Amino acid sequence: NAGVTQTPKFQVLKTGQSMTLQCAQDMNHEYMSWYRQDPGMGLRLIHYSVGAGITDQGEVPNGYNVSRSTTEDFPLRLLSAAPSQTSVYFCASRQQGISSYEQYFGPGTRLTVT
Amino acid sequence: KQEVTQIPAALSVPEGENLVLNCSFTDSAIYNLQWFRQDPGKGLTSLLLIQSSQREQTSGRLNASLDKSSGRSTLYIAASQPGDSATYLCAVHDNDMRFGAGTRLTVKP
Repeated sequence: NAGVTQTPKFQVLKTGQSMTLQCAQDMNHEYMSWYRQDPGMGLRLIHYSVGAGITDQGEVPNGYNVSRSTTEDFPLRLLSAAPSQTSVYFCASRQQGISSYEQYFGPGTRLTVT
Repeated sequence: KQEVTQIPAALSVPEGENLVLNCSFTDSAIYNLQWFRQDPGKGLTSLLLIQSSQREQTSGRLNASLDKSSGRSTLYIAASQPGDSATYLCAVHDNDMRFGAGTRLTVKP
């Protein structure tokens, strides 16, 4: 199993540009999520999905869109990049359930918006 | 709103020392607590997962405890090695997953 994969690893955008961060997992996990990590602030949840066709907002959703057309893929779209979106983005997945399970993370995408 | 705090923010110890990293959280209604390791420029690697009904979990030189009633968890690292140098993050799972800001550990040879 490849686990959770993310592309690209690094990206530089100009203010106003749009792009999609890709995330895929091969563990058949229902739950997938996107976090951003900023210095001194830990990871904050952007959006999450409990299964194909179902998405919801996390703590910091503004400026980001997601969709979940398959169990495996969960792309994150930046509609109009802003310098405040400079961060490291992590995708994660786990099994869904009330007695929750271990969460697995991708290697991250380092995004700089100039 | 759940808040997770990790103290200290940074810790430097000589090789071979036993050490404790602390994690506190404000709402005890959690499903589990997970400790992660993050190396510079890398993703998160899961170390230990403690379910809400458990008091501790052990893996090799690592031992994590959970006291839900007091909103605390500790990660004990025995006989520290330079390879343990990394940032350690705790995360609590209630309806979402909330992370602390991490403790940056340096183990000096």
